[in-house]
Amino acid sequence: QKEVEQDPGPLSVPEGAIVSLNCTYSNSAFQYFMWYRQYSRKGPELLMYTYSSGNKEDGRFTAQVDKSSKYISLFIRDSQPSDSATYLCAMSAYEGIQGAQKLVFGQGTRLTINP
Amino acid sequence: ETGVTQTPRHLVMGMTNKKSLKCEQHLGHNAMYWYKQSAKKPLELMFVYNFKEQTENNSVPSRFSPECPNSSHLFLHLHTLQPEDSALYLCASSQDSYRGRANVLTFGAGSRLTVL
Repeated sequence: QKEVEQDPGPLSVPEGAIVSLNCTYSNSAFQYFMWYRQYSRKGPELLMYTYSSGNKEDGRFTAQVDKSSKYISLFIRDSQPSDSATYLCAMSAYEGIQGAQKLVFGQGTRLTINP
Repeated sequence: ETGVTQTPRHLVMGMTNKKSLKCEQHLGHNAMYWYKQSAKKPLELMFVYNFKEQTENNSVPSRFSPECPNSSHLFLHLHTLQPEDSALYLCASSQDSYRGRANVLTFGAGSRLTVL
């Protein structure tokens, strides 16, 4: 079983739709949960991150973590063509004050927003 | 220049060539990373350097040889590669990967490698 599972898509939705992107994971020690966005021919860039469970909102983007289900989500409201990109989830465990954190990435979901 | 800069952006090499990828970060970070990104696969961590010391080698074949002369520069030396090594190689940096806080990576645009 992979540590992090993410549906690679592709996912295609009309402009203005609400988009839901999801990842599941198996390591209950994960505490930091991140979403990266990668445009074509670019490197991934951090969109937002959360620590432990709960929700975090940033403009049209909401990140949600459910540690009991080992499930994280990224919601995009009022989606725009400029949101078309690959979205990667990533997570890491707290290794203690001297420990090194290793990020484990999902496969990435390719999203297209159609005008 | 700002952020993380990678050169070259594209590289085509034969299996017997020797080439190098270069990464430079202008963020004052202390940790630098090499990742491999292949189609339909998650990012694969290759090497980690903290304060110029290698702290992670993720069972990478010896035909990939990293070099970190200082906290701002990272190289990946390539020799006798195989066609299956064709991929996007991403460099990243972070403040450091310790201190019990979220390890936020800043990535470069990547070097697209094709091995013939």
